[in-house]
Formats: sequence, structure tokens, C-alpha cells
Amino acid sequence: TQLLEQSPQFLSIQEGENLTVYCNSSSVFSSLQWYRQEPGEGPVLLVTVVTGGEVKKLKRLTFQFGDARKDSSLHITAAQPGDTGLYLCAGASWETSYDKVIFGPGTSLSVIP
Amino acid sequence: DVKVTQSSRYLVKRTGEKVFLECVQDMDHENMFWYRQDPGLGLRLIYFSYDVKMKEKGDIPEGYSVSREKKERFSLILESASTNQTSMYLCASEGAYEQYFGPGTRLTVT
Repeated sequence: TQLLEQSPQFLSIQEGENLTVYCNSSSVFSSLQWYRQEPGEGPVLLVTVVTGGEVKKLKRLTFQFGDARKDSSLHITAAQPGDTGLYLCAGASWETSYDKVIFGPGTSLSVIP
Repeated sequence: DVKVTQSSRYLVKRTGEKVFLECVQDMDHENMFWYRQDPGLGLRLIYFSYDVKMKEKGDIPEGYSVSREKKERFSLILESASTNQTSMYLCASEGAYEQYFGPGTRLTVT
């Protein structure tokens, strides 16, 4: 059974601090996505990474895909209250006949002003 | 931009009622999904569809059915609503493994 794990589960930090959240699996993924979900809303796609070792930047957010395509990290620089939300990673694997996307449980981030 | 809409943001139904949740996407995606999201349990896949009139069970299909008569529309049906189906229901449309979600329906069954 494929499994995506995320850590930490919860994170509460002060505005201006830096943070990193992690997404790990024993499976190899053909691509990996990061989403942010605000309370009461659906998840919104932030980025897709497809190449091992790939780094993508989205303003203060930096996403990295592991060399073996089994893990990923999201680093936020100088966090702001608007970054508060649930961060989900999701991966598409070659290990199912339908190449189905699976989601991790999420990291709940709270940025305190 | 991809747009996924869901028929209701909030819904309150009584136990035993038949409930229809509708989802419409405007990007001509073949793949569509229904999830439920509960605190501490994450996103759980109920059903998905890779084509019109095609459906596949996800991880928790019991108590649910789906309908995909047109490519842009994917409906979730609760045949006889129960209190344990109180949840946030999310529909998604997928292109190139990127899923685009609707705003969700918060369903309460009393």
C-alpha cells in the first residue's frame, strides 16, 4: 500500500520565522504536487515537481523534490499570517494501473501575527 | 483558469434522505473525483471516474454511488443519508495529475 507521510502534523510559529515541512514515502512518484487549503475551502494547487532534485520557487515558498523521487519539502521564508492553512502533498505513482494520485494527511500551519 | 463548482456550500439533511451533490468542471478533464474530509482522517477517496459513464470505487465507497452522464458533470449520491456521513465533501477535476478542487460542500445529517 502506498503511503505519503507528512511532518510535522501541526506547526505554530511567529510571523517572520522560517519553516520547513516534509513529505515522505517509500514509493517512487512520477510527479508530486503541493496544495494549500484554507479553512472551509477546497485545496488549491501551489506547484508540481516532476524531476528528481528539482527545486521550484513561488515567492517566499521553495519546493524541492528528492533525488529518488520519494520525498519532497516545502520551505517558507519569513512566514506571514496569510500562509496559515493546511499544506497537503500528493503524488502520482507508476505503481498502480491507473497511476492514481494519493494525498498525504497534511501539515496544519498557523502563523501568529 | 480551471473552475470546479459544487452545487451547494452548506447542506442540512435528515437521516434516511437521498442526497445529491453535483460537481461541474469547465476544463474538459476526463478524470473527476469525490472525496470526503474529516478532522484527523485527511482526504479520503469515495469514487472516481476516468470517462463518461465510467466509475471506480475509491477507498470508502460504502453508502455512496455516483453518476457521470456528461464529461463535465460528476454527481455523488447518498442513497440513505446517515449521521456518520456528516462531513466536508470535495470534488476534484484532474489534468496531468494536477487536481483542481471545488469549494466543498459541508453536509450535516441530523
